[in-house]
This record gives sequence, structure tokens and C-alpha cells, in this order.
Amino acid sequence: NAGVTQTPKFQVLKTGQSMTLQCAQDMNHNSMYWYRQDPGMGLRLIYYSASEGTTDKGEVPNGYNVSRLNKREFSLRLESAAPSQTSVYFCASSPTGNYGYTFGSGTRLTVV
Amino acid sequence: GQQVMQIPQYQHVQEGEDFTTYCNSSTTLSNIQWYKQRPGGHPVFLIQLVKSGEVKKQKRLTFQFGEAKKNSSLHITATQTTDVGTYFCAGPRSGNNRKLIWGLGTSLAVNP
Repeated sequence: NAGVTQTPKFQVLKTGQSMTLQCAQDMNHNSMYWYRQDPGMGLRLIYYSASEGTTDKGEVPNGYNVSRLNKREFSLRLESAAPSQTSVYFCASSPTGNYGYTFGSGTRLTVV
Repeated sequence: GQQVMQIPQYQHVQEGEDFTTYCNSSTTLSNIQWYKQRPGGHPVFLIQLVKSGEVKKQKRLTFQFGEAKKNSSLHITATQTTDVGTYFCAGPRSGNNRKLIWGLGTSLAVNP
């Protein structure tokens, strides 16, 4: 009963480096999401995938790309990291998209 | 645009005191969800309310959904140190119920 698994848990990048955050869920959920959380800003949606084979932009998609590899996996890629992308990133999944999100434990990313 | 406001932003209470946080939406919501995030942790789904005027209880926590389905509240009776964290409300976005709109949360501190 792992739920939503995110890797890595911590990462430090230099400006301009790239990296991929991995997310996998084992609950057979259709919808998956990537959020970032910054102090005082709440949870902001980066990208989401309503179902396997589809992806859509959220509120703050610039500088990010995503891939819904299959029903279980949804990855987030930073092509050229910037200090403004320093944040805590959460992956989440939901059976239908409007009910009971399950969140991963988060990735704490620092870009220097 | 559509907004969800939470008040208060912060609340400090003595252990044993009651606590209430309020969630107000600019639009009618088909449902309202509540999540709890412990310090350093990830959001955890608590409950979903769907019906107008609905009241649900989970031990010391009481959740209400307003008659107009535009506001909600979470009341904690006799707070404990385990209640510390940030409480978020969220509801489906108008026009796209695959995405949630989130309040900024109420952070609760409990003095033992």
C-alpha cells in the first residue's frame, strides 16, 4: 500500500542543470498532478493528466514539461533549472480528478 | 476569477481550546474537500462534503458545508498537540472538475 511514491526526496541543482522528478501511484487512479508549494503561496498546479494519454497545463507551467508514461507514472522535467524553481514539489493522484487527492511525500528542490 | 479564501491565516491556541477555520468560495462548489498538512509533511485528505448543509464528524473534527455551497468550516473541539498543521480547503474548478482550486490554508499552532 505505497500510495504515491516520489523520487528523489531532496535535490540540489545548479542553475541551468536539468532533472526529472519521478512519480508513481499504485491505486489505479486516472488523474495525476504536479504541484509546487512555496511559503505563503499555497499549492499551485504545474501540470496535470486527467487520464492516461493526456496532459494539460496548470497555473504555473513555464519552465516545466511532463510525461504521462502510463497509468501509474507521471514525471516532471525541469529542462534548465532556475533559482525561481526552488520549491517543494508534490505529485498527487485522484480516482476521478475531483475527489480525495493522495499526495506523495514531496521533493525538496533547491536551485543555486 | 474563481477564488477560495480561508480565514484565519494563522491561529495559536492553548491545548484544550477549540479551533475553527472558515473557507469561502466566490462560486458555488459541487463539493468541498479538506486536507491537513503537518509541518514538513504532505497534504493528507480528510473529508469531502457534497450536499448543501451537510455536517460530518470525525472524532473531535466537525465539518460543515453551507446551504449555498459557497462556504465551509472545520471545527476542532479541545485541540491537542497532534492537531498542529495547516488545514486546506479545496473545491473543483468551475468548468473543469478535474482540477481543484485551493485555499491558502490556515496554520494551527497548539501550545501544550
